[in-house]
Amino acid sequence: SAVISQKPSRDICQRGTSLTIQCQVDSQVTMMFWYRQQPGQSLTLIATANQGSEATYESGFVIDKFPISRPNLTFSTLTVSNMSPEDSSIYLCSLMDSNTGELFFGEGSRLTVL
Amino acid sequence: QKEVEQNSGPLSVPEGAIASLNCTYSDRGSQSFFWYRQYSGKSPELIMSIYSNGDKEDGRFTAQLNKASQYVSLLIRDSQPSDSATYLCAVGGDNNDMRFGAGTRLTVKP
Repeated sequence: SAVISQKPSRDICQRGTSLTIQCQVDSQVTMMFWYRQQPGQSLTLIATANQGSEATYESGFVIDKFPISRPNLTFSTLTVSNMSPEDSSIYLCSLMDSNTGELFFGEGSRLTVL
Repeated sequence: QKEVEQNSGPLSVPEGAIASLNCTYSDRGSQSFFWYRQYSGKSPELIMSIYSNGDKEDGRFTAQLNKASQYVSLLIRDSQPSDSATYLCAVGGDNNDMRFGAGTRLTVKP
């Protein structure tokens, strides 16, 4: 299976700043997603990262707050903009096996906003 | 809203016992179902996928699917302390998105 690398693995940020999380996959994948896991909660889909076009956002998530790039089939970034303490979460990059529908996750990026 | 519901837990079983984890889903048209294990501080790890009614066994794990009842379960036989984790039920969506339940925390006591 593909290796998914995320960075940073964790960060502590100040309110009002922005942070970009990178996701690198060691093989080309069609379907990539970004999830959020708030403390003690399950996973919530933020958006589907579409290669060469704008990401598809889920209800409650907007591009201005969570801009996503997908320049090619092995790389994506998620930016958390104008952060507040409510953005403190684990952000997870994931890819889907298009044959099985199985989803695989990177190690996650644990973000703490002070 | 497509919902995935799991037992709130926590669930505690003695070592060697069978742990039973349950999940229901609201979208009757769902076709793919998954169980993930998540250790504290780690990302979710896929342990089972199931697509048709009935049982699917993989080692000590058995997934059960009943589409008529919109019900998925995971049985862990001969539970070990290393099985202590949060188990997430997930259901595949029409747009290749996946919805997760809140998870059930399992503790296996030596």
